Amino acid sequence: DQQVKQNSPSLSVQEGRISILNCDYTNSMFDYFLWYKKYPAEGPTFLISISSIKDKNEDGRFTVFLNKSAKHLSLHIVPSQPGDSAVYFCAAPWANNLFFGTGTRLTVIP
Amino acid sequence: DAGITQSPRHKVTETGTPVTLRCHQTENHRYMYWYRQDPGHGLRLIHYSYGVKDTDKGEVSDGYSVSRSKTEDFLLTLESATSSQTSVYFCATSNRGTNINSPLHFGNGTRLTVT
Repeated sequence: DQQVKQNSPSLSVQEGRISILNCDYTNSMFDYFLWYKKYPAEGPTFLISISSIKDKNEDGRFTVFLNKSAKHLSLHIVPSQPGDSAVYFCAAPWANNLFFGTGTRLTVIP
Repeated sequence: DAGITQSPRHKVTETGTPVTLRCHQTENHRYMYWYRQDPGHGLRLIHYSYGVKDTDKGEVSDGYSVSRSKTEDFLLTLESATSSQTSVYFCATSNRGTNINSPLHFGNGTRLTVT
């Protein structure tokens, strides 16, 4: 059973606009969330994280929002750049494992 | 990056043959992990290691075994490969595991095809 879900397999955005990637989770015991970015033929790389004691964490063009009551988090990228085109995974650690969503492929159109 | 090398990068093998994938790290990280990535499933944990000779199962461990005889090397073995094990395999490392603020660092993956 998927504990972390990304219901949008793909997203296309114009360069300079905002990209919003969404993630839902079912385990209310998760207390920390991460976003990873993956380019083709490479491994995932860590992008940004958020603790459950916060509702927002910002790092440059990337901001992650957490809504614990809705068990929902989102990653905002603004402004989007062509180099942001990649697959984005949200993930949550639990019991010596890092549970991943299925990923969202972001395409930023120049 | 954490200096993680996976070998081979690509492999094609036949059903029923044994296969070993290697992960080598240069960062002296204590924890090492093997994940597989499949469409519709994201990445799923196969096995992990929390020290030399200390390993445990993940959520999709059936048909796989691992060994860690040195800090820097973590081997994944498919004793008798099946077509359902066709996947992309990623090794990851961490100095402090997954339960605290310690992102995993991933290798570039091994694409395995079982015919």
